[in-house]
Amino acid sequence: DVKVTQSSRYLVKRTGEKVFLECVQDMDHENMFWYRQDPGLGLRLIYFSYDVKMKEKGDIPEGYSVSREKKERFSLILESASTNQTSMYLCASSSAGVVEQYFGPGTRLTVT
Amino acid sequence: DAKTTQPTSMDCAEGRAANLPCNHSTISGNEYVYWYRQIHSQGPQYIIHGLKNNETNEMASLIITEDRKSSTLILPHATLRDTAVYYCIVRAAGWGKFQFGAGTQVVVTP
Repeated sequence: DVKVTQSSRYLVKRTGEKVFLECVQDMDHENMFWYRQDPGLGLRLIYFSYDVKMKEKGDIPEGYSVSREKKERFSLILESASTNQTSMYLCASSSAGVVEQYFGPGTRLTVT
Repeated sequence: DAKTTQPTSMDCAEGRAANLPCNHSTISGNEYVYWYRQIHSQGPQYIIHGLKNNETNEMASLIITEDRKSSTLILPHATLRDTAVYYCIVRAAGWGKFQFGAGTQVVVTP
């Protein structure tokens, strides 16, 4: 079974804090993705990576950065958290040449 | 711009088949039809995908019309654990993002 894990299920941070969200997959997948999910807006892609140290902007990269130093780990960084970044954050991974993505359980981030 | 259209919600009786429709009238020749579902407070779960032939796996069946402009996901014997939001997505092969819309909220009742 593919397993994608995320470091926290729930997180509460203050405005201006630097926030790290970690994602780990155990299936040696090349591709990893970060989405955020908000009511009425569906899932929106923030960043994705198709190889170690490679990253590409998604639809809403502003206010976020990512890091992929190891194949199995993809980190999402909020440099200075703001209240409009309160959301559910979902990580996903997929193998090269295979289209279906496998999602982690999500991290519900609240910025106060 | 939405590539798929799904009903907002539907109910299904436990043990009966659930038929979930999806319209994708602007689908391109190289685009697949994917179905995911998301149970409350969990990440989306892959169900099935297809190009033009009907597909079946242990979770569901996917029926794609001959003109590929619509499809139906069939859950053959719905259980209470199938209550979820079901997303129909069209996308070309290869890596890249999935565009999730609003989906269909399916409620399975006893």
